[in-house]
Amino acid sequence: DAGVTQSPTHLIKTRGQQVTLRCSPKSGHDTVSWYQQALGQGPQFIFQYYEEEERQRGNFPDRFSGHQFPNYSSELNVNALLLGDSALYLCASSLKSGRSTGELFFGEGSRLTVL
Amino acid sequence: GQNIDQPTEMTATEGAIVQINCTYQTSGFNGLFWYQQHAGEAPTFLSYNVLDGLEEKGRFSSFLSRSKGYSYLLLKELQMKDSASYLCAVRADYKLSFGAGTTVTVRA
Repeated sequence: DAGVTQSPTHLIKTRGQQVTLRCSPKSGHDTVSWYQQALGQGPQFIFQYYEEEERQRGNFPDRFSGHQFPNYSSELNVNALLLGDSALYLCASSLKSGRSTGELFFGEGSRLTVL
Repeated sequence: GQNIDQPTEMTATEGAIVQINCTYQTSGFNGLFWYQQHAGEAPTFLSYNVLDGLEEKGRFSSFLSRSKGYSYLLLKELQMKDSASYLCAVRADYKLSFGAGTTVTVRA
């Protein structure tokens, strides 16, 4: 049973470029959340997708957008990259139940460096 | 939103006990999680509390007091492999919000 998989694992971009990160959730999970983790900090919630719609969003600008596909996989897109976007981007999947979601299972993350 | 506070760093000796405290302020509280994160790796689930009291899982225990907005993670019989960052996370409605993490260093 595959866990949460993310790609790419590492990437380097320059300021102003755009990046797309990909995530496949754990088998049986229907909800995908994206987090940004700067060095030495806890993960910061970006947004969550369920039934192919963005359900919740954290305090991130519109440069951060996403998508969820019918097979529950998800993409995170960041436009007009800034140096401050350099971080580990974590995808977490869970199973939605009622008004809440269960335990989050994290992927290994995509480490983005913006030069 | 959530305001989650936990100490930045703690150091303990192998075989000892360490308690990591977490305080939070939130609306719509629906559970508190503890995650362990080794350097360069993804967070992994340790424990979950939604009702007041103590939950024990082997060497790890977690406590919650909802009225006080307080939780702690207790690590017993510390081992070198327990050196990691420990993240307190509060669930409210659909999302999980994390504290900055507590780096625990276990010394021989």
